[in-house]
Parts: sequence; structure tokens; C-alpha cells
Amino acid sequence: SQQGEEDPQALSIQEGENATMNCSYKTSINNLQWYRQNSGRGLVHLILIRSNEREKHSGRLRVTLDTSKKSSSLLITASRAADTASYFCATVIPGAGSYQLTFGKGTKLSVIP
Amino acid sequence: ETGVTQSPTHLIKTRGQQVTLRCSSQSGHNTVSWYQQALGQGPQFIFQYYREEENGRGNFPPRFSGLQFPNYSSELNVNALELDDSALYLCASGRETQYFGPGTRLLVL
Repeated sequence: SQQGEEDPQALSIQEGENATMNCSYKTSINNLQWYRQNSGRGLVHLILIRSNEREKHSGRLRVTLDTSKKSSSLLITASRAADTASYFCATVIPGAGSYQLTFGKGTKLSVIP
Repeated sequence: ETGVTQSPTHLIKTRGQQVTLRCSSQSGHNTVSWYQQALGQGPQFIFQYYREEENGRGNFPPRFSGLQFPNYSSELNVNALELDDSALYLCASGRETQYFGPGTRLLVL
């Protein structure tokens, strides 16, 4: 079953603009991660934020986490055409016994040159 | 490049057949996970192997089975293929942060 739900499902922006994607989840988590997938190929890990963190930065990426609302957002600043991809949030649930990632359905981002 | 490789890249099978997919994990990683990704969906966890033992399983029937070898490479076996098994199969090495291979695209006719 899907733990996370990304919003919007699709997003189209001009190069240079910022892109914001949101993720909501249902149960308590150990951490939340964002991954990128180009054209149905392998996923690339972008950033991990732990349940006791509120904000994290990595280059042009900024992730926030609100555990009271069970939600996270991914902001990509100054977008480039190469950022065109699907973005997934994934959660790790405490006590699952394994590092099982539970993914949402993703947000498809198109950056128009 | 994650250092995780998968073979084959594409595969076509017919209903009822069996398939074996292979994965070589990133050097030093003793944990391998397999995911199934249907078109337009997020990846779904199939199972995870840690030091050659199954260490967690998702909601998949027993006809999905796996192995992990002493060098930490892994196989996913699917018996009695069904049309709904058509998907991208992803292997990932690592534990908390997972490094994904490029996937094997399986089409069942």
C-alpha cells in the first residue's frame, strides 16, 4: 500500500523558476527521503530528513518536515531543464524490522527551457 | 552512477513462465532490496536481504522469491508469471539510504 501521497501529480514550470512538491504520509516515521527518477529508470537518492529534523538543505534542494501534520515538502530553486523527472517521497517506518522504503506515486516535474 | 547493476535490462515472457532477475550491489553493501514499479506508480517493496537472509517482505505472494549470495549479489525469481507482473523491477543496495540500479523491464504476454 502507498504510505506517501505526493502533490501535485504533475507540475510544469519555466527554467529558472522554483518548483515545490508536497508529500503527505499516514503513520509515524523514522525518516523521510526524496528520490528522483528519470524516464522510468533507476531512482537517485536526493535527501534524507529524520523525524527530529524540521528542515534540510542540499545544493538547490530544500526539504521541510512537519511531523504534526505528517507532511513534507521539496523545493527545487532556480530549476533547470535537467531537473525534468519524477520525484518520489519515501518513508521508513519504525519497528518494521527492515529498512523498507514505502513510496508515494510521485510528482512528474517538467522544466521548460 | 550508483555502482548497482542489473541484468537483463529488458525481458519478455509469457504467462505461466518463470523468470530470474539479477543484481550486483554496490561494493561494501550487505543489504539488498527489491522493488516492483508498475507504470505510473511508485515502487512497491518486495523483500530485503541482509547477509544472505531475508529480512523483511512486502505484500507479495510466495511465487516471488529471492536469494542473496556471499558476495552480496542477489536474484529475484518469479514463478507462474501473470500479466500483472509486467513492471520495472528495481534492485537497491544499502540500508537507510538506498542506491538503485537501472532496473529490469519485464513484459508478460
